[in-house]
Amino acid sequence: QSVLTQPPSASGTPGQGVTISCSGSSSDIGSNYVHWYQQLPGTAPKLLIYSDTERPSGVPDRFSGSKSGTSASLAISGLRSEDEADYYCATWDGSLSGHVVFGGGTKVTVL
Amino acid sequence: EVHLAESGGGLVYPGGSLRLSCAASGFTFSGYSMNWVRQARGKGLEWVSYISGSGKTRYYADSVKGRFTISRDNAKNSLYLQMNSLRDEDTAVYYCAQGAAVGISLGGYFDQWGQGTLVTVSS
Repeated sequence: QSVLTQPPSASGTPGQGVTISCSGSSSDIGSNYVHWYQQLPGTAPKLLIYSDTERPSGVPDRFSGSKSGTSASLAISGLRSEDEADYYCATWDGSLSGHVVFGGGTKVTVL
Repeated sequence: EVHLAESGGGLVYPGGSLRLSCAASGFTFSGYSMNWVRQARGKGLEWVSYISGSGKTRYYADSVKGRFTISRDNAKNSLYLQMNSLRDEDTAVYYCAQGAAVGISLGGYFDQWGQGTLVTVSS
């Protein structure tokens, strides 16, 4: 069972928006930056959002991150077929001695 | 361009050992922390271990502490994971992942990833 809680699935039609939540606690999300990863089928994960809201170069601005308290969110606007993938949140857990924690992942399906 | 290439995976009996390697190029290797992250088939991502740029600081997930050892050779631009006392539940694809630059504390930040190497623990 993951320390960070994500919904197992989310879906939308092309052009729609979808939001994925990532819920944690005061010792992880509440006091550390959250990062998001996209994993396309059969490939390695890719950094999508870092430090809660920042996009690496090359990541479309359709992807955005936010955080409030002990929860973070990844929003995808203008959904495209190539966005169909698994999405993971990650952060540092200050309650454990040097541990990174991931969410369980959310499968986004483009209908 | 950053490139990370894992090697050393394979089939090993329970209780056996394996050493994974990750060859890095395209960046100043010693200037970045490095990590190992694994993924069992059909499952989510699990962080395994972290090592600082100098190699002096190391962290491990509880599931591997005492059995796995992370190390690096900055002269060879290489990262390693020595895995001992392997268990069935260690079966996974193991990725090496570039962390933040030295001096920047960003736990869970993995900028670049290799393509992974498959470790199968089975009798």
